[in-house]
Amino acid sequence: QQQVKQSPQSLIVQKGGIPIINCAYENTAFDYFPWYQQFPGKGPALLIAIRPDVSEKKEGRFTISFNKSAKQFSLHIMDSQPGDSATYFCAASRGQGGKLIFGQGTELSVKP
Amino acid sequence: GAVVSQHPSRVICKSGTSVKIECRSLDFQATTMFWYRQFPKQSLMLMATSNEGSKATYEQGVEKDKFLINHASLTLSTLTVTSAHPEDSSFYICSAKAHLTGELFFGEGSRLTVL
Repeated sequence: QQQVKQSPQSLIVQKGGIPIINCAYENTAFDYFPWYQQFPGKGPALLIAIRPDVSEKKEGRFTISFNKSAKQFSLHIMDSQPGDSATYFCAASRGQGGKLIFGQGTELSVKP
Repeated sequence: GAVVSQHPSRVICKSGTSVKIECRSLDFQATTMFWYRQFPKQSLMLMATSNEGSKATYEQGVEKDKFLINHASLTLSTLTVTSAHPEDSSFYICSAKAHLTGELFFGEGSRLTVL
């Protein structure tokens, strides 16, 4: 009930490509869905977040698509750059400041 | 932006000793702080929720007597790993919930290595 399932585990794209990372949740009480970027040895940094009342949110090169009926959401990174190479985590919580349940993470590598 | 500071960033200790990790919100008050543990190549696993002035709430499977959490002020929470063993070696990360806005901010993490 509390799990957030994330896929793929790792992803390699060429520069300019559009990596897509998917997450699925079970608990319908979750109403806040953020994505975090983490570089090795650093804490996670918030990229973008969405609430279930919208189906898509875009901030810069990052877009979240949200499917409430399927209980799935995904992150798209447009025009990916080598500097985007990092581990990405989806998460879910009840409310923006609630305890976050993280997905398993996706290690993204963007090749020059 | 809001900053959450963790100290120390790296610590090496001998097996059997205790280690304290601090989490400070530098420019906002945080009534709630969360502590996570992250093993290499794995996700962040919530250990406990720390509320200022009250006892921490631990997640299932986390030993409260081994991982002591204190949240004595609105800007500081501490995690003490007692009688540390090599299997406690991990990356410990805190997050702080801003009292006024409800936003969550993460610290940079603390790498614990137990020899």
